[in-house]
Amino acid sequence: LAKTTQPISMDSYEGQEVNITCSHNNIATNDYITWYQQFPSQGPRFIIQGYKTKVTNEVASLFIPADRKSSTLSLPRVSLSDTAVYYCLVGDLSFQKLVFGTGTRLLVSP
Amino acid sequence: GAVVSQHPSRVICKSGTSVKIECRSLDFQATTMFWYRQFPKKSLMLMATSNEGSKATYEQGVEKDKFLINHASLTLSTLTVTSAHPEDSSFYICSARDNRQGSQPQHFGDGTRLSIL
Repeated sequence: LAKTTQPISMDSYEGQEVNITCSHNNIATNDYITWYQQFPSQGPRFIIQGYKTKVTNEVASLFIPADRKSSTLSLPRVSLSDTAVYYCLVGDLSFQKLVFGTGTRLLVSP
Repeated sequence: GAVVSQHPSRVICKSGTSVKIECRSLDFQATTMFWYRQFPKKSLMLMATSNEGSKATYEQGVEKDKFLINHASLTLSTLTVTSAHPEDSSFYICSARDNRQGSQPQHFGDGTRLSIL
């Protein structure tokens, strides 16, 4: 499983766009990139998944450059409720075993 | 969407007690489920892979006799913390993925907070 590196923490204010970048230099050809969000005392919640270029859903966008050695989770106009830990994981779609890195602790302030 | 239910959400018990935690996939079947442990301010640590109809696979350093896993059906896996001690206090989380949906991500339960007095 490709190892991932993320910033330990980030701070933002309500209404701003937040971009969290994840490095995965050893990503394999069949690997996808998946992001999860975790609130205190809750299990992780799936946010978005992608393979290349750009993926967008109702809550976030995922940008993946051509070399796929990194990815950026973009949260538009964050609110206080977006304060959470965000995890980036890499693996092929048949992979079941997830290895979590340190995650990024996002704090959104008023 | 796929939902994973975990029960109980919180347990407080005396040292030496065995505690069972259930993980259910509510609207899909899962031949494999996973159990994680999480300490405060730390990331999730995979403990074991629960395999329906066969023995669980434990990660290095996880005592299989301490953390008993049973996966008797395609929708239920249980984790039993045997003779629990204060150092077993932690947040335990399970996850599963729909067998039929190869491209679907893992879904997680809401965790069980275990406190051993």
